[in-house]
Amino acid sequence: DAGVTQSPTHLIKTRGQQVTLRCSPKSGHDTVSWYQQALGQGPQFIFQYYEEEERQRGNFPDRFSGHQFPNYSSELNVNALLLGDSALYLCASRRGGGNEQFFGPGTRLTVL
Amino acid sequence: GQQVMQIPQYQHVQEGEDFTTYCNSSTTLSNIQWYKQRPGGHPVFLIQLVKSGEVKKQKRLTFQFGEAKKNSSLHITATQTTDVGTYFCAFSGGSYIPTFGRGTSLIVHP
Repeated sequence: DAGVTQSPTHLIKTRGQQVTLRCSPKSGHDTVSWYQQALGQGPQFIFQYYEEEERQRGNFPDRFSGHQFPNYSSELNVNALLLGDSALYLCASRRGGGNEQFFGPGTRLTVL
Repeated sequence: GQQVMQIPQYQHVQEGEDFTTYCNSSTTLSNIQWYKQRPGGHPVFLIQLVKSGEVKKQKRLTFQFGEAKKNSSLHITATQTTDVGTYFCAFSGGSYIPTFGRGTSLIVHP
């Protein structure tokens, strides 16, 4: 049983570009959350998707958007990249109503 | 909004020594979760506590939720090099948005 998978593993972009990160949840999980983790910090909640809709959103600008597909996989899109967007982007999944979140290995985004 | 403070930020111990990290809030928490993140890895869920005064054990790890539900602690007995990593507490408030602390990094010297 595969856990949460994310792609790509690493990504380098320049300021102003756009990026799309992908996540496949653990089998049987229908709720996907995205987090941004800067170096030396705890993960910061970006948003959560359930039934293909954004259900909760953290304190992130509209440049951050997402999508969930019928197979529960999800994408995180970031437009007009800033240097400060450099971070580890984590995807986490859980069963609806469940407490335990399973995190993926993350995508390391570097903005130059 | 609600926040949690974790102390200490870093802790160096000799292998075999005990370790404790604390998570404190100025407001009452509905629950507290603990995660471990190995260097270069991703957070791994350890446990969730929801009841006032709750104490749970996992082998050498003891988790406690304060009576007032404003603080929590994670205690590791007789640390091993495999315990190295950053330990985060997190909670979900009324908005159900999970909020993480800054974490305590544990360094174990053999």
